[in-house]
Amino acid sequence: RKEVEQDPGPFNVPEGATVAFNCTYSNSASQSFFWYRQDCRKEPKLLMSVYSSGNEDGRFTAQLNRASQYISLLIRDSKLSDSATYLCVVNPNTGGFKTIFGAGTRLFVKA
Amino acid sequence: EAQVTQNPRYLITVTGKKLTVTCSQNMNHEYMSWYRQDPGLGLRQIYYSMNVEVTDKGDVPEGYKVSRKEKRNFPLILESPSPNQTSLYFCASRYKGQGAYEQYFGPGTRLTVT
Repeated sequence: RKEVEQDPGPFNVPEGATVAFNCTYSNSASQSFFWYRQDCRKEPKLLMSVYSSGNEDGRFTAQLNRASQYISLLIRDSKLSDSATYLCVVNPNTGGFKTIFGAGTRLFVKA
Repeated sequence: EAQVTQNPRYLITVTGKKLTVTCSQNMNHEYMSWYRQDPGLGLRQIYYSMNVEVTDKGDVPEGYKVSRKEKRNFPLILESPSPNQTSLYFCASRYKGQGAYEQYFGPGTRLTVT
């Protein structure tokens, strides 16, 4: 079983749609959780950190469920510019700078 | 401007010819890391460093070496590259705190080994 798993998609949605991504992680002691965005062949960039209480940034909402060991990302009112790959990232509680990335979920937003 | 730089951005080489990919950051970050990205596999951590002269293996360290002699630099060394090291490589850095701190990535190095 992979340490961090994501649905690879692709998700094809029309502009204005709401889309949700899920990610599961295997290490129950994991400490920090993130969603990064990666445009084609570019470097990943932080979209949101994910907190136990859930957090929202404009059209984006992230949730963490420690009991079920998954995190989610909800995008409301999708824009063409949201088309990208969304990476789930986990820092397991092993000390240091160990970082586990999911393989990514590809999103295409169509006009 | 805060940034992570990598060089070269593109490299085509032959099997067995030693190469070094440089990485430098200007944010005074303690943590630095190298990743490779392959289709369907996502980013996998090769090595990371928590400070000068402190390095540790990630998930796929075989065939790679690193060094951290200065805080700002973290070069990736392939002593004898092989075709299965053809990949897109990213360097990243981060502040050392325990919280949810952002990693800053370099622009990537696309390596082809023939």
